[in-house]
Amino acid sequence: DTGVSQNPRHKITKRGQNVTFRCDPISEHNRLYWYRQTLGQGPEFLTYFQNEAQLEKSRLLSDRFSAERPKGSFSTLEIQRTEQGDSAMYLCASSLAGRVFGNTIYFGEGSWLTVV
Amino acid sequence: DQQVKQNSPSLSVQEGRISILNCDYTNSMFDYFLWYKKYPAEGPTFLISISSIKDKNEDGRFTVFLNKSAKHLSLHIVPSQPGDSAVYFCAARDFNNDMRFGAGTRLTVKP
Repeated sequence: DTGVSQNPRHKITKRGQNVTFRCDPISEHNRLYWYRQTLGQGPEFLTYFQNEAQLEKSRLLSDRFSAERPKGSFSTLEIQRTEQGDSAMYLCASSLAGRVFGNTIYFGEGSWLTVV
Repeated sequence: DQQVKQNSPSLSVQEGRISILNCDYTNSMFDYFLWYKKYPAEGPTFLISISSIKDKNEDGRFTVFLNKSAKHLSLHIVPSQPGDSAVYFCAARDFNNDMRFGAGTRLTVKP
């Protein structure tokens, strides 16, 4: 198995368009996270799933953002009516659930979004 | 609110010397700390971690130190190599399994 896989890796879109990103986690991981990273900042938490249930959403996740994980495997992050401020790298990560030390989250390579 | 802070945006060291990257946190509920390394246009990759019950964890050239009373951790890289040049993120996890990241420190190791 490979690591966390994200696509597309790069997306350029016009303001007002919708975009969707896909994430395939490490196969045995039941937790899946979405983060956003802008230049000069660390990853900022957006939301996470345990299996198919979305357990937490950040205040950063406006109503234009929606994430799904319909079968508890891959996930999609959709941004509707994109704005220039949405330009960022969108990172997906996965981990095993539980508070065992060593349940590190592993990141994908990210999806770059540029809104023009 | 920035619960995890990396106050040095950049650090430059000579190859072979020690690199010390610092991180401060404010939330006493954090119990697990991690360092990630990030190359341009790639996602962060896990480097090393430490639980709050320890004060040191070592993995090859990388050692993480935790000072709970000062709410401070540091990453030591000895000896530094040019391939270590990257952005390093400090992260901390709380009891909700919520992970918070610092803004990162760009390390440059000069040959």
